[in-house]
Amino acid sequence: GAGVSQSPRYKVAKRGQDVALRCDPISGHVSLFWYQQALGQGPEFLTYFQNEAQLDKSGLPSDRFFAERPEGSVSTLKIQRTQQEDSAVYLCASSLRAGSTDTQYFGPGTRLTVL
Amino acid sequence: GESVGLHLPTLSVQEGDNSIINCAYSNSASDYFIWYKQESGKGPQFIIDIRSNMDKRQGQRVTVLLNKTVKHLSLQIAATQPGDSAVYFCAETPSMNNNAGNMLTFGGGTRLMVKP
Repeated sequence: GAGVSQSPRYKVAKRGQDVALRCDPISGHVSLFWYQQALGQGPEFLTYFQNEAQLDKSGLPSDRFFAERPEGSVSTLKIQRTQQEDSAVYLCASSLRAGSTDTQYFGPGTRLTVL
Repeated sequence: GESVGLHLPTLSVQEGDNSIINCAYSNSASDYFIWYKQESGKGPQFIIDIRSNMDKRQGQRVTVLLNKTVKHLSLQIAATQPGDSAVYFCAETPSMNNNAGNMLTFGGGTRLMVKP
């Protein structure tokens, strides 16, 4: 079946612009995670949704970052007033349930470049 | 696609040889460990996992070993193939029973290069 999809795959923004990144999780998956991956490093956790509830946003680096999942399926990560340090790959992952050992399936990521 | 792991440690092996990729973790509360494979331009792909009540788990051509005493995890790939070339990350998470999901904490990654 279809995996996790993300759009756009690549985004170039000028410093100060707002961006919105979309994640379509695997259909029926309860849990959705956003991660940020800097070049040459492992992904770092940003935020977690269980259905439409945002249960953990401890990894969001500043109040310029905002995520939502209003209907418990598609999620959007929004970054306001982008800065150069926001340049990274943004990964979305989903898992079937909310258990601690449920496998997280990752999308291909959105590569954000802030000029 | 974008390049992953420009400055990562690299393991270079000959096709057909066995590969061993190591990972040290720091959180003694971690209870669940996973190995992911990431090819350039793609997201991480699940390979194999292990719970802290085990010290070894085998899959198809892969084995994960866990040494909790020294907080060390390793991934062994048998008969390495060119298609195994990628960046490999270990990830850990504390196991909780509150069904609130668990974020993954990733290690720094190792690039595996397989020479034909």
